[in-house]
Amino acid sequence: ETGVTQTPRHLVMGMTNKKSLKCEQHLGHNAMYWYKQSAKKPLELMFVYSLEERVENNSVPSRFSPECPNSSHLFLHLHTLQPEDSALYLCASSQRWFDEQFFGPGTRLTVL
Amino acid sequence: TQLLEQSPQFLSIQEGENLTVYCNSSSVFSSLQWYRQEPGEGPVLLVTVVTGGEVKKLKRLTFQFGDARKDSSLHITAAQPGDTGLYLCAGMNYGGATNKLIFGTGTLLAVQP
Repeated sequence: ETGVTQTPRHLVMGMTNKKSLKCEQHLGHNAMYWYKQSAKKPLELMFVYSLEERVENNSVPSRFSPECPNSSHLFLHLHTLQPEDSALYLCASSQRWFDEQFFGPGTRLTVL
Repeated sequence: TQLLEQSPQFLSIQEGENLTVYCNSSSVFSSLQWYRQEPGEGPVLLVTVVTGGEVKKLKRLTFQFGDARKDSSLHITAAQPGDTGLYLCAGMNYGGATNKLIFGTGTLLAVQP
């Protein structure tokens, strides 16, 4: 695998489910990001991890919980989501915090 | 709050036509990036411009950063169907603990064969 991979690519979940999104980067980068992309809204930064420490949390509801166990892996744990949370969730990585970012293909999430 | 407005929001043109996409803000940015996102994929960086007035060319794509570093444009010459996608500008401000990349509202381009 090369670049940034995300699994699953598509996820449908009910409001009471718990699920996790996974991101893996094979680029040797030190920073990883979660973004939310909704229709008709700009790409929104959710979380930033630099050297496995969370350095930014943009007022994201607590029903989204990130985890960065090492510099290559990033998770987004989801619980008790709302229908308005349906969106494309993109993971990205960069060599240093906010250097050129390389994006994964995203997970298309639908909350019923 | 820093905002980047892109225009037009949607653009549908015929193969061979020229087009320009604009990215405007009332805020000054340290640098500005342009990305293209194809359906089912994440954004891919096309170019970064850092100096006011800078012009960069990437084959048929010409990028310009405004003199005041508040705006940018992307011009495509002789568009091809492969240029179809969502074009995003993103402004960067470097501030140590407050580094931020602000994305624009996006321009969806469709090039018809």
